[in-house]
Amino acid sequence: DVKVTQSSRYLVKRTGEKVFLECVQDMDHENMFWYRQDPGLGLRLIYFSYDVKMKEKGDIPEGYSVSREKKERFSLILESASTNQTSMYLCASSPQGQGTETQYFGPGTRLLVL
Amino acid sequence: QKEVEQDPGPLSVPEGAIVSLNCTYSNSAFQYFMWYRQYSRKGPELLMYTYSSGNKEDGRFTAQVDKSSKYISLFIRDSQPSDSATYLCAMSHPTGANSKLTFGKGITLSVRP
Repeated sequence: DVKVTQSSRYLVKRTGEKVFLECVQDMDHENMFWYRQDPGLGLRLIYFSYDVKMKEKGDIPEGYSVSREKKERFSLILESASTNQTSMYLCASSPQGQGTETQYFGPGTRLLVL
Repeated sequence: QKEVEQDPGPLSVPEGAIVSLNCTYSNSAFQYFMWYRQYSRKGPELLMYTYSSGNKEDGRFTAQVDKSSKYISLFIRDSQPSDSATYLCAMSHPTGANSKLTFGKGITLSVRP
């Protein structure tokens, strides 16, 4: 089974702090994604990566950056956390080619910014 | 018009009921259609996957795609309290080796014992 893990289930941070969210997948998938999920707004794509050291902006990249130094790991960085970044953050991965349209999600990180 | 529209719900049904969940979409290029189930405080998990038009059945679940109407449905027969979750539709179009998904906002289903 595909396993996507996220470093923390719950995080509490203060406004202005730099926040790192880590995601690791064990299925050798090329593609990795970061979403945030908010009530009434659904899943929104922040950033994605199709390869190591490669990144592309999603629909709401402002206030975020990402890093992909290794194939299995995709990090989301909040450079200076703000209260409007309080949300559920979900990481996902998928293979390239056959099956690329099926994404596998991690358990999520619930971030509270005070 | 948003690319994918999903009934906002929430939806509450008695145990044993047949549940119908629906999404409409506007992009005729979509070819892959998925339903994800998300339990409270968990990540979404892939429930059903369909390519192009037609029906697909898996146990108590049936996914239906009508491309002519740009309409997809998920039917749950003999619903159980364990089916209580948020259901998200998702779809994508062929883009070569990589693909992004477009999600509906999700509908929360509650099955009452």
